Amino acid sequence: GAVVSQHPSRVICKSGTSVKIECRSLDFQATTMFWYRQFPKQSLMLMATSNEGSKATYEQGVEKDKFLINHASLTLSTLTVTSAHPEDSSFYICSARDRKEVMTNLGEQFFGPGTRLTVL
Amino acid sequence: ELKVEQNPLFLSMQEGKNYTIYCNYSTTSDRLYWYRQDPGKSLESLFVLLSNGAVKQEGRLMASLDTKARLSTLHITAAVHDLSATYFCAVDNAGGTSYGKLTFGQGTILTVHP
Repeated sequence: GAVVSQHPSRVICKSGTSVKIECRSLDFQATTMFWYRQFPKQSLMLMATSNEGSKATYEQGVEKDKFLINHASLTLSTLTVTSAHPEDSSFYICSARDRKEVMTNLGEQFFGPGTRLTVL
Repeated sequence: ELKVEQNPLFLSMQEGKNYTIYCNYSTTSDRLYWYRQDPGKSLESLFVLLSNGAVKQEGRLMASLDTKARLSTLHITAAVHDLSATYFCAVDNAGGTSYGKLTFGQGTILTVHP
């Protein structure tokens, strides 16, 4: 159980285009999902917290107009990188917390396999 | 602002040897996680430590948490090549019902060689 999928796993796009990344919880409901970015040989940095049915909360320094997050259902959050540029090339990883575990405050989150974005 | 620091950042070990990775964090938290990441892959959860004095073991890895010292350790016993990976600790830095905002350490790149 507790599987999180991401799609696509890898995307290459031209500078100026927009790219949508999907994050799905496959066997549980997730009221909260998180989006992380990881540059090569670096750690993970939290970009934003995505809450089902409400606006995402962005971390300091993350442009909300550039990284659009939509959490339209209890199993799906999307991250859209708008007008992508080469500096947006990175590994994007989502994670999700089981709605039931939120109730018990166990707190563990499950990570997706990641999406590697390359902007030419 | 919560800071999480791992030490060492690079670790080259011989097979069969023991070593410890340290994870220090700057503000109070009682939730700490250890993850493993293989090259090009996402994170694999290793341990969830939820209270002071927690100790968990899985195979050749053992993790502990001292919330008073704000320190967690990941001990490797009799290392084997398959343990080569990057290891991250992460601390939950939101309280109340907002658990889940993780701050990660820099990662420790572990290489086990014959």
